[in-house]
Amino acid sequence: QKEVEQDPGPLSVPEGAIVSLNCTYSNSAFQYFMWYRQYSRKGPELLMYTYSSGNKEDGRFTAQVDKSSKYISLFIRDSQPSDSATYLCAMNRGAQKLVFGQGTRLTINP
Amino acid sequence: ETGVTQTPRHLVMGMTNKKSLKCEQHLGHNAMYWYKQSAKKPLELMFVYNFKEQTENNSVPSRFSPECPNSSHLFLHLHTLQPEDSALYLCASSQGRLGANEQFFGPGTRLTVL
Repeated sequence: QKEVEQDPGPLSVPEGAIVSLNCTYSNSAFQYFMWYRQYSRKGPELLMYTYSSGNKEDGRFTAQVDKSSKYISLFIRDSQPSDSATYLCAMNRGAQKLVFGQGTRLTINP
Repeated sequence: ETGVTQTPRHLVMGMTNKKSLKCEQHLGHNAMYWYKQSAKKPLELMFVYNFKEQTENNSVPSRFSPECPNSSHLFLHLHTLQPEDSALYLCASSQGRLGANEQFFGPGTRLTVL
């Protein structure tokens, strides 16, 4: 069983839609949860970072962590074509070894 | 130059060649990382360096040999690679162990092994 599961998609939605991206994980020791965004031909960049359970909002983006279910989500409101990218969830136990999901390829259609 | 740079951006090599990938970070960080990104697979951590010292080797085959001469530069020396080593190799840096959740990535080197 993979430590982190993420549906690779691809996911295609119309502009303005609410997008929901999700990951599940098996290791209950994970405490830090990240979402990275990777544009084509670029390296990943950190989008959101949460510690333990709860919600965090940053503009159009909301990250949710439910440790009891071992489930994390990223919501994008009012999606824009510029949000088209691959979204990677990542998590760790507090060390330097991030464990990544496979990434979900998202396309926002104008 | 800003952020994390990597050279070359693309590399094609035969299985008997020796080549090196270079990474430089301009962020004043003291931790650097090598990752491998293969199609349809998650990003895999290969090596971690803190203050030039290797602190993690994620069971990487010896045909990959990292070198970190200082906190700003990281190399990955390649020799006798296999076709399955073809992938995007990403370098990242962070502000030490405490900043490890916010890693800054370079654009990667797309490696093809023939």
